[in-house]
Amino acid sequence: NAGVTQTPKFRVLKTGQSMTLLCAQDMNHEYMYWYRQDPGMGLRLIHYSVGEGTTAKGEVPDGYNVSRLKKQNFLLGLESAAPSQTSVYFCASSYSRGGVHHEQFFGPGTRLTVL
Amino acid sequence: AQSVTQLGSHVSVSEGALVLLRCNYSSSVPPYLFWYVQYPNQGLQLLLKYTSAATLVKGINGFEAEFKKSETSFHLTKPSAHMSDAAEYFCAVSVSFNTDKLIFGTGTRLQVFP
Repeated sequence: NAGVTQTPKFRVLKTGQSMTLLCAQDMNHEYMYWYRQDPGMGLRLIHYSVGEGTTAKGEVPDGYNVSRLKKQNFLLGLESAAPSQTSVYFCASSYSRGGVHHEQFFGPGTRLTVL
Repeated sequence: AQSVTQLGSHVSVSEGALVLLRCNYSSSVPPYLFWYVQYPNQGLQLLLKYTSAATLVKGINGFEAEFKKSETSFHLTKPSAHMSDAAEYFCAVSVSFNTDKLIFGTGTRLQVFP
């Protein structure tokens, strides 16, 4: 199993450009998440999904959109990139088993620079 | 609301010395707590988790953590540091049974000197 994969690994954008980050998992997990990691701030949740066709806002959703058209994929979109969105983006997934918390499995990250 | 505080953004130890990374939580319900490790240029990897079964939790690579409700703490320890332990460590609390959402601390970078 590949686990959680992310593409691309690196990207440089100019202010105002758009892009989509792709996350894929082959573990049949119900839940998927997008985080951003900034120095000294830990990981902050951008958006998450509890199942195919459903998405919800996390802690820092502004400037981002997401889609979960297939269970195994979770896309993060930036419609008009801003320098403040320069960050490392992590995707994660976890499985559902009612009433019990489960750990999240993380991808390797995408390093995005917005000039 | 749940939250996590990691005391000390940087910790330095000598190889063979005790590692102690501090984590305090705030939660209105019995918490589920996690420690993750991030090696340079990699994603996060689960070290261990507390799910109320036992207060002393053993994880991978010789790490363990003790849940202390009276102190609202979940500190991570390892008796003898190894050079390969150099990484960033994150404590996290699970906030919802229905979503597995996590709230992360700001992280502690561990340096190990020979």
